[in-house]
Amino acid sequence: QVQLVESGGGVVQPGRSLRLSCAASGFTLSTHVMHWVRQAPGKGLEWVAVIWYDGTNTYYVDYVKGRFTISRDKFKNTLYLQMNSLRAEDTAVYFCARRGPWWDFDLWGQGTLVTVSS
Amino acid sequence: QTVVTQEPSFSVSPGGTVTLTCGLSSGSVSIGHYPSWYQQMPGQAPRTLMYNTNTRSSGVPDRFSGSILGNKAALTITGAQADDESEYYCMMYMGSGIWVFGGGAKLTVL
Repeated sequence: QVQLVESGGGVVQPGRSLRLSCAASGFTLSTHVMHWVRQAPGKGLEWVAVIWYDGTNTYYVDYVKGRFTISRDKFKNTLYLQMNSLRAEDTAVYFCARRGPWWDFDLWGQGTLVTVSS
Repeated sequence: QTVVTQEPSFSVSPGGTVTLTCGLSSGSVSIGHYPSWYQQMPGQAPRTLMYNTNTRSSGVPDRFSGSILGNKAALTITGAQADDESEYYCMMYMGSGIWVFGGGAKLTVL
């Protein structure tokens, strides 16, 4: 079954770190462009980061640059989002998503909730 | 940074037609932004409806259609049904590895 399953969310204090995982099954993650998207409580979707096919190119939304790092492990078929120096405004459900046929997303995970609070 | 704009709410009668639009704070939407549309029910992950402006994702009913209208991307629902009541998001590829979502539009079917 082709799916993405996120994990690693939880409650973390401001300034601390957290690493999210997105396990892929039914397809090879390293042959796809992969994204992280987040949604703050009661708010809209926000694109966060992307990693290119070969893993050499990564891009981020401005407010996470320098704090978040997207990466993947081809042997574990898993995508990661390392989040450092977390802020209250990073509180959100984080979804991983696979790039579709064009510049879109064709497969989404169910999301994992990150709460940044003291 | 360019903002992707959506009207926040729409309503449509069952069986009616509604068009949701998606613009840019600066400039016009073109096919080169590869606009895509997503439906999100409460508490669920988004579902891809439309990509590359007007290509329906697998399993999406043909009452959904996409287009460019003037300087905006558009999602039209023809013959709206009760289960179309949802939040709809557009997304644009801005180039240079950057994607941006619109703020979302809540559709009420009543």
